[in-house]
Amino acid sequence: DTEVTQTPKHLVMGMTNKKSLKCEQHMGHRAMYWYKQKAKKPPELMFVYSYEKLSINESVPSRFSPECPNSSLLNLHLHALQPEDSALYLCASSQPTGKPPSSYNEQFFGPGTRLTVL
Amino acid sequence: EDQVTQSPEALRLQEGESSSLNCSYTVSGLRGLFWYRQDPGKGPEFLFTLYSAGEEKEKERLKATLTKKESFLHITAPKPEDSATYLCAVQARETSGSRLTFGEGTQLTVNP
Repeated sequence: DTEVTQTPKHLVMGMTNKKSLKCEQHMGHRAMYWYKQKAKKPPELMFVYSYEKLSINESVPSRFSPECPNSSLLNLHLHALQPEDSALYLCASSQPTGKPPSSYNEQFFGPGTRLTVL
Repeated sequence: EDQVTQSPEALRLQEGESSSLNCSYTVSGLRGLFWYRQDPGKGPEFLFTLYSAGEEKEKERLKATLTKKESFLHITAPKPEDSATYLCAVQARETSGSRLTFGEGTQLTVNP
């Protein structure tokens, strides 16, 4: 099973709202990722969790707050977003290869959450 | 800095008309090159991983090949359902093993 699930599929929020995006995988992968994707552009890495620890933060504004409660779950908490944050938010997961310490196999993506900020 | 360039940006084919998509890369030691397919409004779907020059992988009408400077995704006798954006990404040996550098993608349209 190579499935990553994301909820909700669509989210509309105002600039003062607080909401959360959720991601789940049951492949036993130990790395999980958040990406942001704008129309006609490739995915842009936001955060990486490796073995439930935050390993990469690509200088993302603090209005985005990631959380990894366990090895299967990944959340992205949203607060005081701006209209320019409207995008498709993708979650992905991958498995370490076990060779060089920081080496990972291919990433499997979820279907995404379409976020609109009014 | 790692760089990935995909060409063409867009490609229109007639059903059954075979063609190739190109992914040129510069990376400080390639650990892996990945091909993904993405349908509008959906997440990228993993297709292939290539690790070393000369390697080839096939899946249905798709065949991916790798040289030291580029990768090709060959589409044989495409069907309308092959219409999608195809993304190429590289993973460098020297940087964090989990970071991918993506190309801008090739938008493929196959007309019946």
